[in-house]
Amino acid sequence: GAVVSQHPSWVICKSGTSVKIECRSLDFQATTMFWYRQFPKQSLMLMATSNEGSKATYEQGVEKDKFLINHASLTLSTLTVTSAHPEDSSFYICSAAGQGEQETQYFGPGTRLLVL
Amino acid sequence: QKEVEQNSGPLSVPEGAIASLNCTYSDRGSQSFFWYRQYSGKSPELIMFIYSNGDKEDGRFTAQLNKASQYVSLLIRDSQPSDSATYLCAVILYSSASKIIFGSGTRLSIRP
Repeated sequence: GAVVSQHPSWVICKSGTSVKIECRSLDFQATTMFWYRQFPKQSLMLMATSNEGSKATYEQGVEKDKFLINHASLTLSTLTVTSAHPEDSSFYICSAAGQGEQETQYFGPGTRLLVL
Repeated sequence: QKEVEQNSGPLSVPEGAIASLNCTYSDRGSQSFFWYRQYSGKSPELIMFIYSNGDKEDGRFTAQLNKASQYVSLLIRDSQPSDSATYLCAVILYSSASKIIFGSGTRLSIRP
């Protein structure tokens, strides 16, 4: 159980375009979903926390207008990188936590974004 | 002081030996503790969680929690080359409103 999927697994786009990444919890209802970014050889960096039906809470230094998060249902959250630039190239990983299990987070496989 | 601290390594252990990974945390009131494994280029995968003082065993893995000393460790018995990865300690700090805080990870290398 506790499977989280992400789509797409990788994306290459031109500078200035917007990219949408989906995160789905396949076999449980995720009351909270988290979005992380990881640059090569660096630690996970939490970008934002989202709860179903409410606005996301962004970490300090993360631009909410650039990284749009929508958590429309208990099984789906989306991250849209708007007007992507080469410095946004990174590994984006979502995780989901359901009720119970004391907030254990299960990670999706990640989306590798390359902005040319 | 970082909220969750780990030695970055690399920690090199011969195949078949016990690998010991340590993590300390700052908030004495923390209740939930996790160990994740992350292979290069992949996302983290949950290995174990532990909430109570003492040991918790799952196969070759044993998590140890000592709340009085504010540390949590992970032991890997009979280490295999496939255990070579970065191990992330994660803690839900009492003070962080349920936000999970990750350590920077310890890189483990199992040498044949």
